[in-house]
Amino acid sequence: QLQLQESGPGLVKPSETLSLSCTVSGASINSNDYYWGWIRQPPGKGLEWIGSVHYTGSISYNPSLKSRVIISVDTSKNLLSLKLTSVTAADTAVYYCARQPGLAAASDYWGQGTLVTVSS
Amino acid sequence: DIQMTQSPSSLSASVRDRVTITCRASQSIFSYLNWYQQKPGKAPKLLIYAATNLQSGVPSRFSGTGSGTDFTLTISSLQPEDFATYYCQQTYNSPPTFGQGTRVETK
Repeated sequence: QLQLQESGPGLVKPSETLSLSCTVSGASINSNDYYWGWIRQPPGKGLEWIGSVHYTGSISYNPSLKSRVIISVDTSKNLLSLKLTSVTAADTAVYYCARQPGLAAASDYWGQGTLVTVSS
Repeated sequence: DIQMTQSPSSLSASVRDRVTITCRASQSIFSYLNWYQQKPGKAPKLLIYAATNLQSGVPSRFSGTGSGTDFTLTISSLQPEDFATYYCQQTYNSPPTFGQGTRVETK
């Protein structure tokens, strides 16, 4: 059974870098069939797609975040990572990792999400 | 970015009611439209993909129709576990974008 689990600091200071990991179990992250991505949701608000990556290195980012985001995969650890630099309070959100069976496909499996608060 | 507009933003309904939520795209997205259900404190759950396809394990009371710019999610007979927020999402153009959500509340 596929499971995704986010982890990382729950509190990040303004101007610092937010770093999260997503451990994938029950499936190989280096499958040709899937992209792996990040989506976030500010408290009480809607969903925002951050970006998606294929293990071959194909990456797509949301232009609104592109200058601050790095998404990567570590196939040896079956791990998906997110780095968001120069964070502000506006980056406070629940961050989800998710699987997509194709870059233009829906996200069919999601992690439970992790709340990251940006505050001094 | 393609704008996705859901209506209504919220609705009140009773168990066994038929519920319809609409989603309109700012340009044609063909059938690249997905529907998710989200309960408080939980991750979104995929219900419908590619406008009309029921995700495995999702009850058949959920259905999706539409193509181009106008789409509908229908719950044929609302069940207690269906009170939640529903989001549409387009994946035709990058970045994928979501509607603002429709909250289904108990009447």
